[in-house]
Amino acid sequence: EIVLTQSPATLSLSPGERATLSCRASQSVSNYLAWYQQKPGQAPRLLIYDASNRATGIPARFSGGGSGTDFTLTIGSLEPEDFAVYYCQHRSNWFTFGQGTRLEIK
Amino acid sequence: EVQLVESGGGLVKPGGSLRLSCAASGFTFSGYNMNWVRQAPGKGLEWVSSITGRGTYIYYADSVRGRFTISRDNAKNSLYLQLNSLGAEDTAIYYCARASNNWNYFDYWGQGTLVTVSS
Repeated sequence: EIVLTQSPATLSLSPGERATLSCRASQSVSNYLAWYQQKPGQAPRLLIYDASNRATGIPARFSGGGSGTDFTLTIGSLEPEDFAVYYCQHRSNWFTFGQGTRLEIK
Repeated sequence: EVQLVESGGGLVKPGGSLRLSCAASGFTFSGYNMNWVRQAPGKGLEWVSSITGRGTYIYYADSVRGRFTISRDNAKNSLYLQLNSLGAEDTAIYYCARASNNWNYFDYWGQGTLVTVSS
């Protein structure tokens, strides 16, 4: 079973700053990795799929990179609405999520 | 516009049962694999179950296999999850989620329905 480990657990930044979130897989997942954003009281929303493709309607400040075991989600310049929890996800035997990174306002 | 609307959550006693529903609209329901994902209070996301478009293949997480049953009615554009033998560990928001075309991701989610298991 593939395990996804996200870091850091919490990231404190200010609006306008650049955010870099990490997701590491316990074995290679090629580029089959997605990122989701979840705001308080809301359902998750697909941001990035296949490691680097933005989902429909996702702003260009969100970008994904990586392959194999190491992946990053970068938010180019943080907007107030970007402060949320972010999850990575992969489907191997079945669907697996990372434990999440909380992006909070500094 | 794709919409997924869950219902059926509530408070149930340990050992009890509940049936969740998800009404889908805005897409050809039978053409997509559908899923249930849950989130315990303050915790992360956990995949629960999946069903293929015609209901031919069904999959469960080990934590719910034998207790939960997923089903769908394509004529009604609806997805269901029957929850039996519920325990406190099943307390969570249950989300209905559509699978992407390649079935690797969840591209649309409902707003969720809360299941609370408590005496």
